[in-house]
Amino acid sequence: AQKVTQAQTEISVVEKEDVTLDCVYETRDTTYYLFWYKQPPSGELVFLIRRNSFDEQNEISGRYSWNFQKSTSSFNFTITASQVVDSAVYFCALSEAGSGGYNKLIFGAGTRLAVHP
Amino acid sequence: DAGVTQSPTHLIKTRGQHVTLRCSPISGHKSVSWYQQVLGQGPQFIFQYYEKEERGRGNFPDRFSARQFPNYSSELNVNALLLGDSALYLCASSPLVGVWEKLFFGSGTQLSVL
Repeated sequence: AQKVTQAQTEISVVEKEDVTLDCVYETRDTTYYLFWYKQPPSGELVFLIRRNSFDEQNEISGRYSWNFQKSTSSFNFTITASQVVDSAVYFCALSEAGSGGYNKLIFGAGTRLAVHP
Repeated sequence: DAGVTQSPTHLIKTRGQHVTLRCSPISGHKSVSWYQQVLGQGPQFIFQYYEKEERGRGNFPDRFSARQFPNYSSELNVNALLLGDSALYLCASSPLVGVWEKLFFGSGTQLSVL
């Protein structure tokens, strides 16, 4: 079965520390897409990144970077020099296609990140 | 451009009642999906609609139903509410349907069932 595991429930860091959020996934599909979303207290899920299974290049966007390793089925997310505004719940998700032509996201349980001044 | 909008933002109901939640997608988006997020968990897929047709349904009882209107807005209906239906209900839109599609989420409707 398709599954996403985020083993870290909560992480607490001090501002300017680097932090890595882990994501491990399971899928039978050879082609798939992985996503990271951020959920601030307002509740809205904010898209951060999308990665397809054929592209194993790491990606960097400002202070954010993502490490995709197909061999270990992991898609980890690192925030460099964390800031208080990074405090949120972060979700890793796997996109699954359903019969009948639909797609759904399978989310992990999320990691709550608290960045303290 | 406006993002995905949901109404109401908060709702309190009692067991056995019925509730209707509303969602307006981003302009030009033809697909709307609904997710339920119980406190402390990740969102769970309920429905996906595309061009007014139900394309997929998650593992939810028949008390949950939805529809999509010609303007692509959508309603989620829940009958005979149970305490366990208390959750944040998120609506998401996307231009098309496909595993590559990035979903744009609204801020959700917080439903409390007493």
